[in-house]
Amino acid sequence: DTGVSQDPRHKITKRGQNVTFRCDPISEHNRLYWYRQTLGQGPEFLTYFQNEAQLEKSRLLSDRFSAERPKGSFSTLEIQRTEQGDSAMYLCASSLEEGREAFFGQGTRLTVV
Amino acid sequence: SQQGEEDPQALSIQEGENATMNCSYKTSINNLQWYRQNSGRGLVHLILIRSNEREKHSGRLRVTLDTSKKSSSLLITASRAADTASYFCATPLSGSARQLTFGSGTQLTVLP
Repeated sequence: DTGVSQDPRHKITKRGQNVTFRCDPISEHNRLYWYRQTLGQGPEFLTYFQNEAQLEKSRLLSDRFSAERPKGSFSTLEIQRTEQGDSAMYLCASSLEEGREAFFGQGTRLTVV
Repeated sequence: SQQGEEDPQALSIQEGENATMNCSYKTSINNLQWYRQNSGRGLVHLILIRSNEREKHSGRLRVTLDTSKKSSSLLITASRAADTASYFCATPLSGSARQLTFGSGTQLTVLP
């Protein structure tokens, strides 16, 4: 296992379509995070899982966003009825425990046209 | 809400020079982390410093933490062109050990 893996790396979609991203964390990490990053800004927290439980959600995560982590392994982030403002890099990270460093994937760049 | 802010926003230096980036934060923390991001890529963890530590080294990196001033600095010595990247400090959000909050980053350019 070489690190956090995200798929796809790039996604172009038309406004109003649904998209789903996948994240495979480092295998022994039970903590998983989703962040969103727009150009010139730092990542913004979206949501956090400990094993399969979604323990924290940002107010940034509107009703159109949903994340799951079935069986506490990989995670998916779905955006329904995409809007142009959803265009961003979506980053997934995992860590071994709280207070430890987070390891990030390469991100999925979403472009909504 | 942003907890940490980096300064300067952009820094351009010659290869071989040292680069210093600063981070200020607002609330008490138990640790502070520095990350690097190459253009269009994910973040790479560089170093974590705990609130009871004042200085930490890792290779050419030196991080200091001053909890009384709520600030941290990242020093890269003998910079290389490959150090060109954005550098972010990240701190746990107050009331949540799980959320890391990032500043807008310092864009470092090392000229060959």
